[in-house]
Amino acid sequence: SFELTQPPSVSVSPGQTASITCSGDKLGNKYACWYQQKPGQSPMLVIYQDYKRPSGIPERFSGSNSGNTATLTISGTQALDEADYYCLAWDSSTALYVFGTGTKVTVL
Amino acid sequence: QVQLQESGPGLVKPSETLSLTCTVSGGSISSSYWSWIRQPPGKGPEWIGYIYNSGSTNYKPSLKSRVTISVDTSKNQFSLKLSSVTAADTAVYYCARLLRYFDWSPGGAFDIWGQGTMVTVSS
Repeated sequence: SFELTQPPSVSVSPGQTASITCSGDKLGNKYACWYQQKPGQSPMLVIYQDYKRPSGIPERFSGSNSGNTATLTISGTQALDEADYYCLAWDSSTALYVFGTGTKVTVL
Repeated sequence: QVQLQESGPGLVKPSETLSLTCTVSGGSISSSYWSWIRQPPGKGPEWIGYIYNSGSTNYKPSLKSRVTISVDTSKNQFSLKLSSVTAADTAVYYCARLLRYFDWSPGGAFDIWGQGTMVTVSS
């Protein structure tokens, strides 16, 4: 079955760049999206269709997807970016959705 | 703008059926795909399944034998039924709208989520 793997945690200093990876078999052939989730809140879409930002999402959030890895990049990370991040992809061969394992981003 | 609100019992007994409803406001339920997603305490989200206006559905294989998602267009609602629940089904349950990338495919991203409702399975 299709699986998406993320690093459990990423630490970043304020103002620096955080990169979160999401790995899956031939993920680059599918579209990936990314969610930010803060404690007690619903997940919020920050990137869809690999690199597109929904209205209201800051430009410091960007995405890419190639080969077996999708990447969410947070440039100029701020304290308010501290959250859990999940990738999501749709497996066209099975028409099923799969979430990544999740990454906790800590802004030190 | 479109908003979603989950409703249903917060406590369900083991072996019984979990039933939740999602009410869609600010838009028509007829024009989109709709999904249920759950998140056990301390864990990541898990996609359960989706439904389209026509009633076509698709479910996560490991849950397929126990899950039914249905839609009531007259009430602008869609529902989740999960039978034979166990403690492993304890989670926050979210309903969400699917933003499709292409009209001919259910592939997309869940762009609007409800606030979620906690369901505990316990006797």
